[in-house]
Amino acid sequence: DGGITQSPKYLFRKEGQNVTLSCEQNLNHDAMYWYRQDPGQGLRLIYYSQIVNDFQKGDIAEGYSVSREKKESFPLTVTSAQKNPTAFYLCASSRVSRSDEQFFGPGTRLTVL
Amino acid sequence: AQSVAQPEDQVNVAEGNPLTVKCTYSVSGNPYLFWYVQYPNRGLQFLLKYITGDNLVKGSYGFEAEFNKSQTSFHLKKPSALVSDSALYFCAVRDGDQAAGNKLTFGGGTRVLVKP
Repeated sequence: DGGITQSPKYLFRKEGQNVTLSCEQNLNHDAMYWYRQDPGQGLRLIYYSQIVNDFQKGDIAEGYSVSREKKESFPLTVTSAQKNPTAFYLCASSRVSRSDEQFFGPGTRLTVL
Repeated sequence: AQSVAQPEDQVNVAEGNPLTVKCTYSVSGNPYLFWYVQYPNRGLQFLLKYITGDNLVKGSYGFEAEFNKSQTSFHLKKPSALVSDSALYFCAVRDGDQAAGNKLTFGGGTRVLVKP
């Protein structure tokens, strides 16, 4: 899983609560991404950031928020507005070059009780 | 818009036999293509990529992939599969045309089961 860490590994949330997933990288990458993975499905992009203090919505941003105050960190908040948050969340980073691959963290499994 | 299709949900192969995982893509410009592998409850690991040049790309763990522009395909292959190759495999594409943005689009994944 390279130089990307995600915490916690497992997270349980009650309905109506906001929770924040941590993602840190020491690869000196400018770009960072958040994906959601549901059973039997591919990855869907939630948010991405190519530079500090800037980020863009992906395909399924509703109910999520992010910040990018430091190059190394890209936390994701799952808000109570996200109607079906139970999923596996993956953080990734890469250089901004379009030909470069993304490196993934180990993931956080979020379960809503 | 860019898209990726992995037509097989699961591929079963006997250990020692050749393994092929299929991927087709659609982009408006030249494609940048990637293969990743995911083991249970883990993140994705990068296997290989095609950007330009030789159509046959070699990657990690003995995997290779062949880019075929006319068939818009990028199939992943391994000459002799191991039980430890059992995992979920993802193909991904990025449109090489900068105007298309920097988004990476993933296929739905193919589960590979290698039986002893």
